[in-house]
Amino acid sequence: AQSVAQPEDQVNVAEGNPLTVKCTYSVSGNPYLFWYVQYPNRGLQFLLKYITGDNLVKGSYGFEAEFNKSQTSFHLKKPSALVSDSALYFCAVRHPYSGAGSYQLTFGKGTKLSVIP
Amino acid sequence: DADVTQTPRNRITKTGKRIMLECSQTKGHDRMYWYRQDPGLGLRLIYYSFDVKDINKGEISDGYSVSRQAQAKFSLSLESAIPNQTALYFCATSDLRGADTQYFGPGTRLTVL
Repeated sequence: AQSVAQPEDQVNVAEGNPLTVKCTYSVSGNPYLFWYVQYPNRGLQFLLKYITGDNLVKGSYGFEAEFNKSQTSFHLKKPSALVSDSALYFCAVRHPYSGAGSYQLTFGKGTKLSVIP
Repeated sequence: DADVTQTPRNRITKTGKRIMLECSQTKGHDRMYWYRQDPGLGLRLIYYSFDVKDINKGEISDGYSVSRQAQAKFSLSLESAIPNQTALYFCATSDLRGADTQYFGPGTRLTVL
């Protein structure tokens, strides 16, 4: 079975400081990993994904994430936080096979990011 | 994502009523999904469909049914709504060519009294 852990329910960071939102995963084989953001009263928006290749993945709004296979982690980062980054962030994992019998995308429980002016 | 729309956006209903939530997409994706979101639980998969003739149960399908009327339309029904089905419901779509990156609708907030 695959699983995702987001160990922090909430992360607070001052505007202009770097931010990190943590994610660890468990899945057999090489994972597909995703980050989504949810703003209040909105659906989830895709930020970035890791499929293969470079361990550092760049995404929307200046976010990036680093895949670390040995630590089974996929932490989301941004060099300088903005107040507008305040939102709920979800990490998700799936097995690379895409057949109907083996598909499932598993989400973490979410981390609320608050950027303080 | 404006390419995935959901109706209604908000619905209040009573226990025992039948409810249908609708999802439409203009992304041309074959795959569609229904999730529910509860505070502190993240998103849980209810049903998914890989094409018009394919329907699969997800993690929490009991009490729900779905219909894939066309490639672009995927409806979720609650045959007899109960209060613990109060939640935020999301539709999503994906395309295998995009590594199944899922794109979400704006959500339907359902309250069952």
